[in-house]
Amino acid sequence: DTAVSQTPKYLVTQMGNDKSIKCEQNLGHDTMYWYKQDSKKFLKIMFSYNNKELIINETVPNRFSPKSPDKAHLNLHINSLELGDSAVYFCASSQAPGQVREKLFFGSGTQLSVL
Amino acid sequence: DAKTTQPNSMESNEEEPVHLPCNHSTISGTDYIHWYRQLPSQGPEYVIHGLTSNVNNRMASLAIAEDRKSSTLILHRATLRDAAVYYCILIRVSGTYKYIFGTGTRLKVLA
Repeated sequence: DTAVSQTPKYLVTQMGNDKSIKCEQNLGHDTMYWYKQDSKKFLKIMFSYNNKELIINETVPNRFSPKSPDKAHLNLHINSLELGDSAVYFCASSQAPGQVREKLFFGSGTQLSVL
Repeated sequence: DAKTTQPNSMESNEEEPVHLPCNHSTISGTDYIHWYRQLPSQGPEYVIHGLTSNVNNRMASLAIAEDRKSSTLILHRATLRDAAVYYCILIRVSGTYKYIFGTGTRLKVLA
């Protein structure tokens, strides 16, 4: 059983389209995250949700809207895709924030290519 | 957010020990030192973490300097499967904490 799974693994689309990436974790964690890894391999946090509530929003454009229907799922919807959105997007989960003993568990990533 | 500095890349021969350094001169007393690694085409995975004392687990050892301004991740016998980007991260428990990944060290293991 994959602990953190995200779909699709690859996503190729045209500029201006709207697309979604889904993420699910079966670890019973309270907190989920979205990270973006650009072409230079720099990993940057985008959002964090704790028990379906947004707790971190790192100055991400409004075109990106996370949705957490329950604490096991955190989906990422992107409107009006731009070339600069091309990157690998990673979903992750952990126990409640503030517990530094806890670890981040990452999905295998979604490679988004905007043409 | 406290900053970490790591060499961009390192090489090691297979089955030899590897010492991956990390400088964190602005570390505060409550910052934990975490290490993650990212294998090719995968998400990062947890390796080890510590606060003040050296730590060992099945994957690696973490040596923390007495003044905590630097740390070293030690892989005791590198294998080809250890080729990855290794990230050193400081985690501060104050309000909403978050993992800030630096550029990491790309480790190449030579057969």
